[in-house]
Amino acid sequence: SSELTQDPAVSVALGQTVRITCQGDSLRSYYASWYQQKPGQAPVLVIYGKNNRPSGIPDRFSGSSSGNTASLTITGAQAEDEADYYCNSRDSSGNLNWVFGGGTKLTVL
Amino acid sequence: QLQLQESGPGLVKPSETLSLTCTVSGGSISSSSYYWGWIRQPPGKGLEWIGSIYYSGSTYYNPSLKSRVTISVDTSKNQFSLKLSSVTAADTAVYYCARHRVTIFGVAHSNWYFDLWGRGTLVTVSS
Repeated sequence: SSELTQDPAVSVALGQTVRITCQGDSLRSYYASWYQQKPGQAPVLVIYGKNNRPSGIPDRFSGSSSGNTASLTITGAQAEDEADYYCNSRDSSGNLNWVFGGGTKLTVL
Repeated sequence: QLQLQESGPGLVKPSETLSLTCTVSGGSISSSSYYWGWIRQPPGKGLEWIGSIYYSGSTYYNPSLKSRVTISVDTSKNQFSLKLSSVTAADTAVYYCARHRVTIFGVAHSNWYFDLWGRGTLVTVSS
């Protein structure tokens, strides 16, 4: 079982805002990073740190954190945002170990 | 533009050792601030971090796999490698290599993230 918990599936109407969450004790101490994965493709980094987007990632993607929960928000979801999303962070041991959340399947209606 | 490419056998027999290599092109594997990692994804399932290595050879392994995993680096070839011993069907997965970047902020705080990924290679464990 993962130390980071995500909802298995979330849906959003086209153009609306959706929040994907990731819960875990380690998130009280460490930021999460977020990855988008489309079928048959490798994951792509979309958010890292407090709220940083790599070059090429649309500004409709943003990140936030509060307590033991990290969130990825897509403001004005587009059809191409339909994908699996994974959070990643250090585990709660204090050692340099990393864990992924179980993933959230985002459907854009 | 830096790229990563996994290579190795696509079929491994149970109880044998899985061996994969990741070749880094368009940049040096010896750059500071970068570790190099392996992540896997069983068919239809989520991502699992296997381990990461620095160009000096310093390694970090997933505790659940540590007894079976060895990650090594060859800076002369700009490659790093994964060996997973005593494999079973449960080790069937797409294996990805990735650049594991660390950035420092504040006092003794760091962000770690996988900012570049290879395309992945499917390894099937079967007799």
